Amino acid sequence: QAVVTQEPSLTVSPGGTVTLTCGSSTGAVTSGHYPFWFQQRPGQVPRTLIYDTSNKHSWTPARFSGSLLGGKAALTLSGAQPEDEAEYYCLLSYSGVRVFGGGTKLTVL
Amino acid sequence: QVQLVQSGAEVKKPGASVKVSCKASGYTFTSSDITWVRQATGQGLEWMGWMNPNSGYTVYAQKFQGRVTMTTNTSISTAYMELSSLRSEDTAVYYCARTGSYYRYWGQGTLVTVSS
Repeated sequence: QAVVTQEPSLTVSPGGTVTLTCGSSTGAVTSGHYPFWFQQRPGQVPRTLIYDTSNKHSWTPARFSGSLLGGKAALTLSGAQPEDEAEYYCLLSYSGVRVFGGGTKLTVL
Repeated sequence: QVQLVQSGAEVKKPGASVKVSCKASGYTFTSSDITWVRQATGQGLEWMGWMNPNSGYTVYAQKFQGRVTMTTNTSISTAYMELSSLRSEDTAVYYCARTGSYYRYWGQGTLVTVSS
């Protein structure tokens, strides 16, 4: 089974920009992996921010965007807010089987 | 509105089995796959597998092959996840999610504690 890797932790200043990445042990991440990005705050159920690389749900703040960058899936946060402090997980698809990354703990400080 | 309501917390002994239910409402149950995800305390999300309620087709993560069984009862719009041969490492919150909505809808989670 593939291993999906994320930065364990990142810190961003309020109003700043940060990019979280999601890599695959099988090689470059492509649109065919249908990357998802989830946000989970402590004690809450995960919620989808981005699906299929770059698509947003109606509740996804405009400051979040998804893309492919350097062979990885990427989640960019532009203009960080205190409420963005959370754990972020990516999910990749491998022919029907999905695998979560280990998560990135994002601190806004 | 779409809701996924899961069964209550369970305490099981090592070696036992647990069956968690996920009752769907607010949409046509057979129109969307159901995915199961678990999360140990303080740990990350772990994808367990998904099931198509219409066909009964399932896909399981390799880690759980042979120990997990996902089923549905379409007459009551309910999905089930049964995990057998439980060990302490299976202590976690188990979530169901509606895959077809791009994981827009999640159950509230069911805590399964495995302890002797």
